[in-house]
Amino acid sequence: AQRVTQPEKLLSVFKGAPVELKCNYSYSGSPELFWYVQYSRQRLQLLLRHISRESIKGFTADLNKGETSFHLKKPFAQEEDSAMYYCALLSGANNLFFGTGTRLTVIP
Amino acid sequence: NAGVTQTPKFRVLKTGQSMTLLCAQDMNHEYMYWYRQDPGMGLRLIHYSVGEGTTAKGEVPDGYNVSRLKKQNFLLGLESAAPSQTSVYFCASTTGTIGGAEQFFGPGTRLTVL
Repeated sequence: AQRVTQPEKLLSVFKGAPVELKCNYSYSGSPELFWYVQYSRQRLQLLLRHISRESIKGFTADLNKGETSFHLKKPFAQEEDSAMYYCALLSGANNLFFGTGTRLTVIP
Repeated sequence: NAGVTQTPKFRVLKTGQSMTLLCAQDMNHEYMYWYRQDPGMGLRLIHYSVGEGTTAKGEVPDGYNVSRLKKQNFLLGLESAAPSQTSVYFCASTTGTIGGAEQFFGPGTRLTVL
């Protein structure tokens, strides 16, 4: 069965510091992974997906199949990055299996 | 272009009451989903639909029913509400493209069952 683990419920970093939000997965097939973000009073929205290999708002995430991880990283955190972040795994019929989320707070 | 809309935004029910949550999308998407979001549990899939007239169970379907009579609408019903169904409910939709299509989410419905 699939599983997505986000070990940190809360994460606080200072503005300008590097940030890493951890995501580990368990899946028997070839995984497709995503990061979704929910800013305060906004809808949940796609941040990035591993197949695109792109950087969005300075964030990157690399799929490491050996470690079954898809950690989200940004070298210099900004206050506007404060949000709830969800790692998600694609599982059949375009279904997404979400982790429990990490609330990131960037301290000014 | 409103995207995904949900009605109502808030609702308080008493145990045993019934209600229907409406999700509408104007993007001509084939796939639609209902999730519930609970503290510490993330989003969990309740039911989904891969096209008009189809529905399927997700991870936590018990106590809920759904219907997709029109392509643009996906209804979530609670026949006999229970306090355990207190949650924030999100609807989402995506195209029928297999493999990594972005899901677009509605603003959510906050439901409290007393």
